[in-house]
Amino acid sequence: DAGVTQSPTHLIKTRGQQVTLRCSPKSGHDTVSWYQQALGQGPQFIFQYYEEEERQRGNFPDRFSGHQFPNYSSELNVNALLLGDSALYLCASSLGTTWGTGWTEAFFGQGTRLTVV
Amino acid sequence: AQKVTQAQTEISVVEKEDVTLDCVYETRDTTYYLFWYKQPPSGELVFLIRRNSFDEQNEISGRYSWNFQKSTSSFNFTITASQVVDSAVYFCALSEANYGGATNKLIFGTGTLLAVQP
Repeated sequence: DAGVTQSPTHLIKTRGQQVTLRCSPKSGHDTVSWYQQALGQGPQFIFQYYEEEERQRGNFPDRFSGHQFPNYSSELNVNALLLGDSALYLCASSLGTTWGTGWTEAFFGQGTRLTVV
Repeated sequence: AQKVTQAQTEISVVEKEDVTLDCVYETRDTTYYLFWYKQPPSGELVFLIRRNSFDEQNEISGRYSWNFQKSTSSFNFTITASQVVDSAVYFCALSEANYGGATNKLIFGTGTLLAVQP
């Protein structure tokens, strides 16, 4: 059973460019969350997709956008890249739940290391 | 607002020593979840434990143990008889209770880098 897979593993972009990162969730999972982890920091929540809609969003500008496809895979797009966008981008997949049914565990991929020069 | 504080930035121990990683959290929610994750150099976050706010029982899993104290808003993690393979960054995280239709976001601390020397 494949876990969460992310591509590419490493990426170098120039300031002002746009980038697309991809995530395939663990088999059976329908929810994808994206996190940004700057060097020496903990992951910061960007947004979450469930049933092809953005369900929650963290404190990130509109330059960060995403999409979820019918097969539950997801893309993270960042426009007008800044040097400060350099980070490890982590994708986490989980199974969405309904009210009151408790927690479902999130599984993380190995991340995409984005360097903006 | 929710917040997680891991005051220890780096800890270095010699193999077989016991080590405790501290975690203090802030939340206004009465129902919440606490987590510990391990991040090896490969980057993937590895889930270690989840506790809900109504269960203050301490838990032991092999060499790992966790001490949850609501009175001090702490959720500390102890590794007994540390090994070189324990070297990694460890994150404590907090999440509010279930949000209808989706898994909740995790609020992470800044992590503690544990180096176990042979």
